[in-house]
Amino acid sequence: QSVLTQPPSVSGAPGQRITISCTGSSSNIGAGYYVHWYQLLPGTAPKLLIYGHSNRPSGVPDRFSGSKSGTSASLAISGLQAEDEADYYCQSYDSSLSGWVFGGGTKLTVL
Amino acid sequence: QVQLQESGPGLVKPSETLSLTCTVSGYSIASGYYWGWIRQPPGKGLEWIGTIYHSGTTFYNPSLKSRVTISVDTSKNQFFLNLTSVTAADTAVYYCTRVVDILAEANHWGQGTLVTVSS
Repeated sequence: QSVLTQPPSVSGAPGQRITISCTGSSSNIGAGYYVHWYQLLPGTAPKLLIYGHSNRPSGVPDRFSGSKSGTSASLAISGLQAEDEADYYCQSYDSSLSGWVFGGGTKLTVL
Repeated sequence: QVQLQESGPGLVKPSETLSLTCTVSGYSIASGYYWGWIRQPPGKGLEWIGTIYHSGTTFYNPSLKSRVTISVDTSKNQFFLNLTSVTAADTAVYYCTRVVDILAEANHWGQGTLVTVSS
């Protein structure tokens, strides 16, 4: 039971747009702490996709975007590509736990 | 280019101590940033273990705090994870990370190392 809630899986066809939600509470996302998103591909180091709700590190395509509203955040991927098939995790800080919290992860399948 | 590499035993016996080293290249730990450990049990999600500032200040996951020690050796450009009294539940891929701030993100990750707890 993760502190942040994500859908276990999402899917989309190549070229489509999908979103992955990340729902928290008043002690993390709702308290104003930033949300960050990571991409995990088997056999490779996890990659930071989005930081500070909606900022992309250098090298991350603008097909990836992030947003935050209230106690939730979302990751959107447009123009889906086969190489986007991966697990995605959101992360924030929680004041009740005084530490980092993660979502349970979402497996993206590109049909 | 910052690179992180985990190293340590891949098999640890129950009740013993798990010890891992993260060697950093391309950046001097003494220059700043925070450094952290995150793990992923097989088939499960990511779990934050703890974070250390280059000066030695530490932050630990409350659920692991009684068993975890994270330390740093700036002369070797390495930081370390010790987890005592391990059980099968500690079997996981362990990642070391560079962290922008305790309230922020991990912007660089190692490839991860699988540690299995078994007799």
